[in-house]
Amino acid sequence: DAGVIQSPRHEVTEMGQEVTLRCKPISGHDYLFWYRQTMMRGLELLIYFNNNVPIDDSGMPEDRFSAKMPNASFSTLKIQPSEPRDSAVYFCASSLIPGTLGGVFFGEGSRLTVL
Amino acid sequence: KQEVTQIPAALSVPEGENLVLNCSFTDSAIYNLQWFRQDPGKGLTSLLLIQSSQREQTSGRLNASLDKSSGRSTLYIAASQPGDSATYLCAVRLPQVNFGNEKLTFGTGTRLTIIP
Repeated sequence: DAGVIQSPRHEVTEMGQEVTLRCKPISGHDYLFWYRQTMMRGLELLIYFNNNVPIDDSGMPEDRFSAKMPNASFSTLKIQPSEPRDSAVYFCASSLIPGTLGGVFFGEGSRLTVL
Repeated sequence: KQEVTQIPAALSVPEGENLVLNCSFTDSAIYNLQWFRQDPGKGLTSLLLIQSSQREQTSGRLNASLDKSSGRSTLYIAASQPGDSATYLCAVRLPQVNFGNEKLTFGTGTRLTIIP
């Protein structure tokens, strides 16, 4: 398996533009997580899905952020409109259901810079 | 609310020394605990996973222990090498009220530098 695949790896955009980050989880994994990492706040959970259904989006900072998982092999995180304070590395991760070898596997991340 | 803390925030040791990284958590009702490594500009790589019923896990020069009752875990690295330089994060997985609903809460990380 290729692991969790994220795109783009790097994105530079101007304030006010729409940003879409993409994630392909490991095949067979039931959980998908979106995290944001900054120097100031470390790793923060934004939202996670179980079997394509959003379970907890309490970490989503505001209405400008939205996430979807239309099927088991694809998820998007969208920011519209983007702001400079959204600059961070966004990680996608996936894992199996509890009771199995439930480790969490991370993608390489998408580094977002909003000018 | 679960809080995960790692002390120290940064650590430098000479090559060849054994070292211990610490992780503490406030809610002992965890499902499992995972140690990760993060290299600069990279994603997180899973090192070891300890289930709540286990006391320790070993992989090569790495040994992770878990004391759930005291809310502590340690990552022991034997015979450190410059290639071990990275940030190490621990994360706890809490079972939520309803089976199947889970979160991973990360610690603040320890930035390790091995001096050749």
